[in-house]
Amino acid sequence: SAVISQKPSRDICQRGTSLTIQCQVDSQVTMMFWYRQQPGQSLTLIATANQGSEATYESGFVIDKFPISRPNLTFSTLTVSNMSPEDSSIYLCSALLAGGPKQYFGPGTRLTVT
Amino acid sequence: QQQVKQSPQSLIVQKGGISIINCAYENTAFDYFPWYQQFPGKGPALLIAIRPDVSEKKEGRFTISFNKSAKQFSLHIMDSQPGDSATYFCAAHSGNTPLVFGKGTRLSVIA
Repeated sequence: SAVISQKPSRDICQRGTSLTIQCQVDSQVTMMFWYRQQPGQSLTLIATANQGSEATYESGFVIDKFPISRPNLTFSTLTVSNMSPEDSSIYLCSALLAGGPKQYFGPGTRLTVT
Repeated sequence: QQQVKQSPQSLIVQKGGISIINCAYENTAFDYFPWYQQFPGKGPALLIAIRPDVSEKKEGRFTISFNKSAKQFSLHIMDSQPGDSATYFCAAHSGNTPLVFGKGTRLSVIA
């Protein structure tokens, strides 16, 4: 298994500001992903974080709004830029372990934008 | 489009009963089918998973049944307990592609 940590665990931010969420995995991983989950809803994939190159974004998500970095195999950041109340959600980091196929999730970051 | 359809949306089961959650998929390239359990305020936790080369996998009180020809799989929770009350998500993927999730089932086990 893997332990995935996220920081911060929660935050309340003002409209127009940006928040960077950090994700650290304690095991060797091949893929890292970022998801968004609205309360009571399923998980929506934002992007695949690629090491050393630009992230691969899903339809409806753009790099200017959700810039992602992955400077090494086990660490990634997601920034939520120019936030609006519609960005209030839980943001989850996930990792696919080396050797696959198990994918694990972090505890999530609960973001509230006022 | 890749989809995983999950039912029911919510489920109430008596303590000691069997909880059954069903999922159906369309993409025959999927080769890994996990179930996740999520408690409020927590991230999804990998519960149990199956490959399409077996029809059933059991881990403790949790069993996955898999029907490749029907493209369906289900989670059975035997002797359901109040501590099993959570949201359950089925998912599917192939290779290093991201998981495709069902919409989730909110399970409530009542005493």
